Amino acid sequence: GQQVMQIPQYQHVQEGEDFTTYCNSSTTLSNIQWYKQRPGGHPVFLIQLVKSGEVKKQKRLTFQFGEAKKNSSLHITATQTTDVGTYFCAAPNNNDMRFGAGTRLTVKP
Amino acid sequence: DGGITQSPKYLFRKEGQNVTLSCEQNLNHDAMYWYRQDPGQGLRLIYYSQIVNDFQKGDIAEGYSVSREKKESFPLTVTSAQKNPTAFYLCASSIGRGLVHEQFFGPGTRLTVL
Repeated sequence: GQQVMQIPQYQHVQEGEDFTTYCNSSTTLSNIQWYKQRPGGHPVFLIQLVKSGEVKKQKRLTFQFGEAKKNSSLHITATQTTDVGTYFCAAPNNNDMRFGAGTRLTVKP
Repeated sequence: DGGITQSPKYLFRKEGQNVTLSCEQNLNHDAMYWYRQDPGQGLRLIYYSQIVNDFQKGDIAEGYSVSREKKESFPLTVTSAQKNPTAFYLCASSIGRGLVHEQFFGPGTRLTVL
């Protein structure tokens, strides 16, 4: 089935530094979703990207969908301690969604 | 107040026992899902259901069973055949059968086998 590879697995940054996580697929995706899971919590939907080359912003978060619709990225500018958590991408696979392994972000104050 | 509820939050069981995890949603969503999450890892799909009285196996269905008798409910039974059941179990739902809808997750159940 469809697999999405997500890197890096872990990222530790100093507060104020930027952070980026990447998702890659070997096949063209119809859409890609991003979720955030706080420590001890459950995943929460952030955004969905559908169009080739699409860029969406949510305050300090910038989401991109590649031109070939095979990759996506989430970039956080000037991280804050509230950004701590694991970020997952998810992509369709037949009749269900498949999640990447996630990138765990820790932020040092 | 709409949402997904899972109970219990923490669950302990002895080896060889079956246990059923509850998942209820009042969002009027057609599709429901069960995922397993192991420490420091991503989400792996166990079962999903796109409509009442129908469900499909995910990647790791062995040792698990589900039912979908009502739209609101999608209970998961972890059977004694599941070799390593200790994990965090997440239930989710989405509005439709299509793949363009966000998933709403419940708070999860942490299962520990003693």
